[in-house]
Amino acid sequence: RKEVEQDPGPFNVPEGATVAFNCTYSNSASQSFFWYRQDCRKEPKLLMSVYSSGNEDGRFTAQLNRASQYISLLIRDSKLSDSATYLCVVANYGQNFVFGPGTRLSVLP
Amino acid sequence: EPEVTQTPSHQVTQMGQEVILRCVPISNHLYFYWYRQILGQKVEFLVSFYNNEISEKSEIFDDQFSVERPDGSNFTLKIRSTKLEDSAMYFCASSEQAGLSYNEQFFGPGTRLTVL
Repeated sequence: RKEVEQDPGPFNVPEGATVAFNCTYSNSASQSFFWYRQDCRKEPKLLMSVYSSGNEDGRFTAQLNRASQYISLLIRDSKLSDSATYLCVVANYGQNFVFGPGTRLSVLP
Repeated sequence: EPEVTQTPSHQVTQMGQEVILRCVPISNHLYFYWYRQILGQKVEFLVSFYNNEISEKSEIFDDQFSVERPDGSNFTLKIRSTKLEDSAMYFCASSEQAGLSYNEQFFGPGTRLTVL
């Protein structure tokens, strides 16, 4: 079983749509969870950390379910500029990041 | 806003040659990392570095790879004898701390290594 799995995508959605990304991880000892976005041929950029209680940052909402080892990201009112690959990232206690394969999002005018 | 920088942006080399990729982490960060991303694939961890020594490394990070912090600002990745399969984007990252729940890592723009 792969360590971090994500929806295969790609997702093609119209502007203004709500889109949800799903991620599961296999290591129950994982401690830190993040969503990064990566534009084509660029570096991953932190979108948001994911807290156990769930957290929201503007149009973005992240949820974590430790019992199910499941992480989600919801984007509301999607913009053209949201087009990117969304990377689910999991880390053990203080150590290296394990990246999911990413889900590509295209927001269409 | 402080950022991680990397040089060169693109390195082309012949198979069997040595390459050194350079990174300047964010100045108050203490933990440094190298990752690689083969075109079309996921980002993969190579090595982490703290207090002038390797703290963790992956199976990819074999004897052909080494890391060094030669001075107070640079962090380098050396590949001794490059192979075709080393062609990838190499990302340096740094974090302020580790061992806590929310140790965000900040990534540099990457060095694209092409081995011919």
